Amino acid sequence: TQLLEQSPQFLSIQEGENLTVYCNSSSVFSSLQWYRQEPGEGPVLLVTVVTGGEVKKLKRLTFQFGDARKDSSLHITAAQPGDTGLYLCAGARGGSEKLVFGKGTKLTVNP
Amino acid sequence: DAGVIQSPRHEVTEMGQEVTLRCKPISGHDYLFWYRQTMMRGLELLIYFNNNVPIDDSGMPEDRFSAKMPNASFSTLKIQPSEPRDSAVYFCASSPHSGGARQETQYFGPGTRLLVL
Repeated sequence: TQLLEQSPQFLSIQEGENLTVYCNSSSVFSSLQWYRQEPGEGPVLLVTVVTGGEVKKLKRLTFQFGDARKDSSLHITAAQPGDTGLYLCAGARGGSEKLVFGKGTKLTVNP
Repeated sequence: DAGVIQSPRHEVTEMGQEVTLRCKPISGHDYLFWYRQTMMRGLELLIYFNNNVPIDDSGMPEDRFSAKMPNASFSTLKIQPSEPRDSAVYFCASSPHSGGARQETQYFGPGTRLLVL
């Protein structure tokens, strides 16, 4: 059983479109992180959210942590080909350094 | 800073052979993590160290897998004997001491792509 479920698994869109990807769990997390991974490379951190209901913006990317700290979403406005990659959410519980990762959403933005 | 360094980047071996993967974390980081990534299971934590001491190895699949961290600048993950189902990308990551409730960033290396025939 996957502790963090990400949806959709695959997403292919045209440049300029908006999209939202989701990260859901039945468990509560003390913090949640979003990483992006490009082919042949390791994941790179985009954002960390720690407070229920928290919203963070990173240019065209908007991240939200659910009020109950069980879920999160990533919204991209006016997607660009450079946004192409695997988006992973990762949760930490109880102050542990240990992260649990979702399987990711593979995003392709076509020019 | 050079970032997390892993070697080799690619490894092809035959079933039954010993495989050793190497990692050099970012200088000054207290934590080191070994992950395995496959299409089926995603990114899974195998083991992590704090100040060179193994803290949680519950993700190590079986006794064929072992990891060591003899000093703050070097760690190895060994598979002996290797099996085809071990084929995956293995990542090493490091992070600084958090000192608080906020989750620290984990900095990942480029990974080792392992293929066991």
